[in-house]
Amino acid sequence: DSGVTQTPKHLITATGQRVTLRCSPRSGDLSVYWYQQSLDQGLQFLIQYYNGEERAKGNILERFSAQQFPDLHSELNLSSLELGDSALYFCASSVEGVAGNTIYFGEGSWLTVV
Amino acid sequence: GDSVTQMEGPVTLSEEAFLTINCTYTATGYPSLFWYVQYPGEGLQLLLKATKADDKGSNKGFEATYRKETTSFHLEKGSVQVSDSAVYFCALMAGRRALTFGSGTRLQVQP
Repeated sequence: DSGVTQTPKHLITATGQRVTLRCSPRSGDLSVYWYQQSLDQGLQFLIQYYNGEERAKGNILERFSAQQFPDLHSELNLSSLELGDSALYFCASSVEGVAGNTIYFGEGSWLTVV
Repeated sequence: GDSVTQMEGPVTLSEEAFLTINCTYTATGYPSLFWYVQYPGEGLQLLLKATKADDKGSNKGFEATYRKETTSFHLEKGSVQVSDSAVYFCALMAGRRALTFGSGTRLQVQP
């Protein structure tokens, strides 16, 4: 158990819909990351937050957004869903989000868009 | 930008064989290097890490040494087991940038 909790574990939804994925980081970790894992794209970095502020953006689509709340949990919102958004979405956390930190991953949220 | 290159899989070995999975990287600055493992149907688990040149990370019989001169972090295990069958990802983190992953290498160990 990494200490990073993600919900829901599995989600099936229809095209055009909107979903929210939730992440609770390890106790004491200030930095949260979101990654997407798909068969054809591998592990893609989406976005990083540090202590409530956005720190870095990766390959995140405009239809996707995220935030980190004062209690440090984070949510990833995916809207106008397309079939190609079907993937495993990982949340990860680290203490400060700098090199040398260990980054721990949750078990992921499986999203299937039908 | 940062990048990680891993050997293509799948790698198929017999139980007790020696394992090497090659990993090379490109990064500005002095990255930390990681190996993560993903067992079938599961999430990513940290296997080992190294934060500076010549450091050796080790865990569960796996080892990798941070080689700055060859920009490499090859994963090795002396004797693999069927339970080691998984996908292995090499990754780096430099400065405040996020983890950059390689494409993953699938390992299949046959009894």
